[in-house]
Amino acid sequence: DSGVTQTPKHLITATGQRVTLRCSPRSGDLSVYWYQQSLDQGLQFLIQYYNGEERAKGNILERFSAQQFPDLHSELNLSSLELGDSALYFCASTSRQGEAFFGQGTRLTVV
Amino acid sequence: EDQVTQSPEALRLQEGESSSLNCSYTVSGLRGLFWYRQDPGKGPEFLFTLYSAGEEKEKERLKATLTKKESFLHITAPKPEDSATYLCAVQALGNAGNMLTFGGGTRLMVKP
Repeated sequence: DSGVTQTPKHLITATGQRVTLRCSPRSGDLSVYWYQQSLDQGLQFLIQYYNGEERAKGNILERFSAQQFPDLHSELNLSSLELGDSALYFCASTSRQGEAFFGQGTRLTVV
Repeated sequence: EDQVTQSPEALRLQEGESSSLNCSYTVSGLRGLFWYRQDPGKGPEFLFTLYSAGEEKEKERLKATLTKKESFLHITAPKPEDSATYLCAVQALGNAGNMLTFGGGTRLMVKP
């Protein structure tokens, strides 16, 4: 158990819909990273938050957004969903040494 | 742009047959190189961090090494439970967010 909690584990939704994925980092970790893993793209960095502030952005679509709340949990919002958004979405938090610890992921299926 | 290439894409071994996985990287300045194990449908599990060329780390049957251009994950006398996808990732210096750039992974299958 990495200490990073993600909910829900599975999500099935229709095209055009909006969903919210939730992540709680390890106790004491201030950073939250979101990654997307699809069969053809591998693990891709989406966005990072540090203590409530956006720190870095990767290959995140404009239809996607995230935020980190005062209790340090984070939410990733995906809207106007397309079939190609089907993937595993992982959240990670990092130790002071920079080691990332990943949650078990949310499997999103868009039908 | 940081790049990580892993080879082979897939590797089949007999139980007890030792081998190595390769991770080649290009990065402007290396802060750290990370190895992860990922089981199907699960999140990546942290294995090792290497920071400088010449560094080695071991854990049970796994040993990771690092040069200025690549890293190797050596698997000694593997067992079926070592079957998984092994991911390599780099973290670049001067990278504000310390995010990881991952390679495509090596899918290891160990047959009894």
